[in-house]
Amino acid sequence: TQLLEQSPQFLSIQEGENLTVYCNSSSVFSSLQWYRQEPGEGPVLLVTVVTGGEVKKLKRLTFQFGDARKDSSLHITAAQTGDTGLYLCAGAGVWDFGNEKLTFGTGTRLTIIP
Amino acid sequence: GAVVSQHPSRVICKSGTSVKIECRSLDFQATTMFWYRQFPKKSLMLMATSNEGSKATYEQGVEKDKFLINHASLTLSTLTVTSAHPEDSSFYICSARDGLRGTDTQYFGPGTRLTVL
Repeated sequence: TQLLEQSPQFLSIQEGENLTVYCNSSSVFSSLQWYRQEPGEGPVLLVTVVTGGEVKKLKRLTFQFGDARKDSSLHITAAQTGDTGLYLCAGAGVWDFGNEKLTFGTGTRLTIIP
Repeated sequence: GAVVSQHPSRVICKSGTSVKIECRSLDFQATTMFWYRQFPKKSLMLMATSNEGSKATYEQGVEKDKFLINHASLTLSTLTVTSAHPEDSSFYICSARDGLRGTDTQYFGPGTRLTVL
């Protein structure tokens, strides 16, 4: 069973600060996705990374896939209150290729204080 | 594009009754749909994978006779929680994969909050 550990589990910072969320596993993934989920809603896809070492930017969000495709990070620059939410990483295992099963990380609940 | 809807969004039922949750892909054909369960302040746990026209594949520990899944068309999958009990109270989320686009991307529905009294 693939496990994805996210850290920190909870993070509360002031608006304008920078932060990094980590997603780690001992398993190799064919791709890794990051989602943000608001209370009472389904997850919304932010990005998919596929290649080891890949870096993708989405405005103030920077996503990186580890060289070995076992880990990933999400960095937010100058956080805004609208960034508040539950951030989830999810990996598709190489052994699940064609089945596209996702294993979700443990989640990071981010609160941006105005 | 790639919109997935769920109905109902919230349901409250008495213990022992059955509840059906619908998941629809509104603007694409979903060859594969997934059902997840999420407890408060926890992550999503995959319950089962449903392919159109075939039996669902359940994850270990998920009772297939309790959580009945039907994927009769390319745009609709249903999850029926049979003889629901308070411990079945949870947030149920479906997702759908666009088979024609050939990508691994799953599009998630807004979720259904089930409360069993």
